[in-house]
Amino acid sequence: AQKVTQAQTEISVVEKEDVTLDCVYETRDTTYYLFWYKQPPSGELVFLIRRNSFDEQNEISGRYSWNFQKSTSSFNFTITASQVVDSAVYFCALSGQGGSEKLVFGKGTKLTVNP
Amino acid sequence: NAGVTQTPKFRVLKTGQSMTLLCAQDMNHEYMYWYRQDPGMGLRLIHYSVGEGTTAKGEVPDGYNVSRLKKQNFLLGLESAAPSQTSVYFCASSYRRQGALGDIQYFGAGTRLSVL
Repeated sequence: AQKVTQAQTEISVVEKEDVTLDCVYETRDTTYYLFWYKQPPSGELVFLIRRNSFDEQNEISGRYSWNFQKSTSSFNFTITASQVVDSAVYFCALSGQGGSEKLVFGKGTKLTVNP
Repeated sequence: NAGVTQTPKFRVLKTGQSMTLLCAQDMNHEYMYWYRQDPGMGLRLIHYSVGEGTTAKGEVPDGYNVSRLKKQNFLLGLESAAPSQTSVYFCASSYRRQGALGDIQYFGAGTRLSVL
């Protein structure tokens, strides 16, 4: 069975602090895909990043960076110099070889960035 | 492009009433999905469709039915609403998987449903 664990239920930081959101996954598939989505207070789900299991390169996009480590089954998300607009619920998700219908979400981490 | 559009945005039902949620996508996606989001539970898959005329059960299908008569539309029905179905419902769509890339699911804005 596939499982995604986001152990941090809520995080609160002050603007300009760096913050890391943890994601640990479980799967028996050799080929799988990991995702991060953002859900701002307005409620919609916004795709942030996709990573396949054969690509362990870390990725940086502006203030966002992702650290994928197969050895620890983790796909952590770091926001550098956080801003109030980063306040949202962030979801990590996993899909395996069965196809995209098997997308499994973690329970989410609520990030609050205070001014 | 409108992307994924859900109708209605809000609805209040009484126990036992029925209703249909409509999802429409204009991206020519093969796959479509219905999720529910409950506090502290993340998103859970209700039903999905891999193409016009086909549907399949997800993680929490009980009490729901779906239909995919047209490629661009995916309907979620509640035949006899129960308070346990109070939730936020999200529709999503994605391309058919190609090569080594996983499918990105694009989501609608959600439907907030309360069953009294």
